[in-house]
Amino acid sequence: GQQVMQIPQYQHVQEGEDFTTYCNSSTTLSNIQWYKQRPGGHPVFLIQLVKSGEVKKQKRLTFQFGEAKKNSSLHITATQTTDVGTYFCAGVNTSGTYKYIFGTGTRLKVLA
Amino acid sequence: ETGVTQSPTHLIKTRGQQVTLRCSSQSGHNTVSWYQQALGQGPQFIFQYYREEENGRGNFPPRFSGLQFPNYSSELNVNALELDDSALYLCAGHKYNEQFFGPGTRLTVL
Repeated sequence: GQQVMQIPQYQHVQEGEDFTTYCNSSTTLSNIQWYKQRPGGHPVFLIQLVKSGEVKKQKRLTFQFGEAKKNSSLHITATQTTDVGTYFCAGVNTSGTYKYIFGTGTRLKVLA
Repeated sequence: ETGVTQSPTHLIKTRGQQVTLRCSSQSGHNTVSWYQQALGQGPQFIFQYYREEENGRGNFPPRFSGLQFPNYSSELNVNALELDDSALYLCAGHKYNEQFFGPGTRLTVL
C-alpha cells in the first residue's frame, strides 16, 4: 500500500544549528501538508504545498515540494528551543478514498 | 486554540466492549476527519465525513464507524475492541486546506 517515510527518525541539534527533515512517498501526491506536534500535544498545521517544485517560507522554516510530487522537505534555520517537537508530513490524495497519509515523523530535540 | 474539542479525555475499556468517542468542531468545519495515533507513531487516517456522509476511508475494518451531525459534532464508534485499539484518537475539523486537531481521547483497552 501507499507509504510515506520520513528521515531522520530523530535529530538532536545544538540551539542555533540548522535542521532538515525529508519526506518520501511511494506514490505521487495531490498535495502535501506539514504538521508539528509537541510532546503530549496534538498536531498543529504548518503549511500545505500544492504545486510541483513549490517552495514556501515561514520565518525560519522553508518547505519544499519535489518536482515529481513524491517528496518534500522542511528546513529550519538557526533552531531555537521552541522548535522542539515531532514534525510530520502528510500526503494528501484528493482523489480516491484514502485521503491523508501521515509520515513516520522526525522528532527534533534542541539542546540549549 | 483550534476550536475543536473531544470527549472524554481518557477512557479505559476491556477487550470486546464497544466505545463511542465524541468531537465538537466549530462553525465552518464542514469536513471532519478521525485519526488513530499509536505511541511514537504518526496519525493513521481512519475516515473523513463531509456533510454527514463518509467520503474517505483508510485501512480500518468496518467495526470502526462514524457519524457526523449538522451541528458540527461527530462520533467515532469502535465495536469489539481489541488490545491493539489502544491509542490516542484525534479528530480534525477542516477549513479550507487546514486541519484543526482536537486534543484527542486516550483509549486504553485491557
